[in-house]
Amino acid sequence: AQKVTQAQTEISVVEKEDVTLDCVYETRDTTYYLFWYKQPPSGELVFLIRRNSFDEQNEISGRYSWNFQKSTSSFNFTITASQVVDSAVYFCALSEFGTGANNLFFGTGTRLTVIP
Amino acid sequence: GAVVSQHPSWVICKSGTSVKIECRSLDFQATTMFWYRQFPKQSLMLMATSNEGSKATYEQGVEKDKFLINHASLTLSTLTVTSAHPEDSSFYICSAKQRPSNQPQHFGDGTRLSIL
Repeated sequence: AQKVTQAQTEISVVEKEDVTLDCVYETRDTTYYLFWYKQPPSGELVFLIRRNSFDEQNEISGRYSWNFQKSTSSFNFTITASQVVDSAVYFCALSEFGTGANNLFFGTGTRLTVIP
Repeated sequence: GAVVSQHPSWVICKSGTSVKIECRSLDFQATTMFWYRQFPKQSLMLMATSNEGSKATYEQGVEKDKFLINHASLTLSTLTVTSAHPEDSSFYICSAKQRPSNQPQHFGDGTRLSIL
């Protein structure tokens, strides 16, 4: 069965600090996708990244970086030099090739608060 | 690109009325659309998946007669909450994806439904 665990329910950091959001997943599929979405207070879900299981290269996009470790089934997300606008709930999600990559299984989310 | 519009963003209505929520893909053809429900401070729960021109597939525990989904065109899906009751109050979010199947889901802004 598939499962996504975000053990950190809430995190608070002071502006300009770095912060890492953890995500651990379980799946029986050998091929799958992992995602991160951001949900600001306004409610919409903003797509941040998709990573497929074949590609373990880490990715950097501006202040955002992602560390995919298949050996530990983790897909962690780091925000460098955090800003107040980063305050949001962040969801990690998994979809499996076996379902046509349709079903998204979400973690419970991590609420990040960046204090000015 | 890949913009999904959801309307209305907030609706308050009396118990017993039916409420229709629209989800539109503005700049792409959405072969598949999804409807999620999110309770306060919780994760997103998939309610149903719909492919254009065919009946929606509902997740276990979701009443299809209660939550009517229509995906009549490649750019529009609607969710109708029939005879709504206070326990139906929630945040409903739609998402859409285009071919090929490995494309990410793009989410609407969500609809906050409050039943009095």
